Amino acid sequence: IAGITQAPTSQILAAGRRMTLRCTQDMRHNAMYWYRQDLGLGLRLIHYSNTAGTTGKGEVPDGYSVSRANTDDFPLTLASAVPSQTSVYFCASSDPVGLGRESTDTQYFGPGTRLTVL
Amino acid sequence: KNQVEQSPQSLIILEGKNCTLQCNYTVSPFSNLRWYKQDTGRGPVSLTIMTFSENTKSNGRYTATLDADTKQSSLHITASQLSDSASYICVVSGGISSGSARQLTFGSGTQLTVLP
Repeated sequence: IAGITQAPTSQILAAGRRMTLRCTQDMRHNAMYWYRQDLGLGLRLIHYSNTAGTTGKGEVPDGYSVSRANTDDFPLTLASAVPSQTSVYFCASSDPVGLGRESTDTQYFGPGTRLTVL
Repeated sequence: KNQVEQSPQSLIILEGKNCTLQCNYTVSPFSNLRWYKQDTGRGPVSLTIMTFSENTKSNGRYTATLDADTKQSSLHITASQLSDSASYICVVSGGISSGSARQLTFGSGTQLTVLP
């Protein structure tokens, strides 16, 4: 593995079904993120994790849950999928450098998972 | 509310020509600004990053500028190539709060198409 990977690449899912999107990184980054990208909108943060064992809610967390049992993996679960969750989902990781206004932490994105909920 | 507005929404140019993409933001307090390139069907890839003390940065044929006073940034592409066809996303980072994710606000992107 090199970088950040996501699985599956795409999925068609019936409404009401449970689905877990997988994300794995091999860069030993502390922070990981889940975004959704919808046409005409910027990427929106769903959940994040600053370090293994911790998670937090982003801008659009409803209907999604995450866990961070170790540094490398950050799965995203849809407990009961709904059509409005049709989107492209991106996982990202970063290793923040510096503090305050001089901080920089480039996020590295996975290739995305295209999810369609019918 | 923190916002990032990009213009134009889409742009078509001929190969070899230059172009400039714009980004206006209202994120406060400001930490840094990044431009990402997103090829179709792929994840975004970082092109440049600028902190509040920088006003220009180059990466090959890409040059980004930042005016922190007017809260504007531009991405200039010189001698465009077919491979430059992509969505270009402006991302602004706000102040960091302890225990929370770095506050990133994403623009919706400019879709650039370079024609032969």
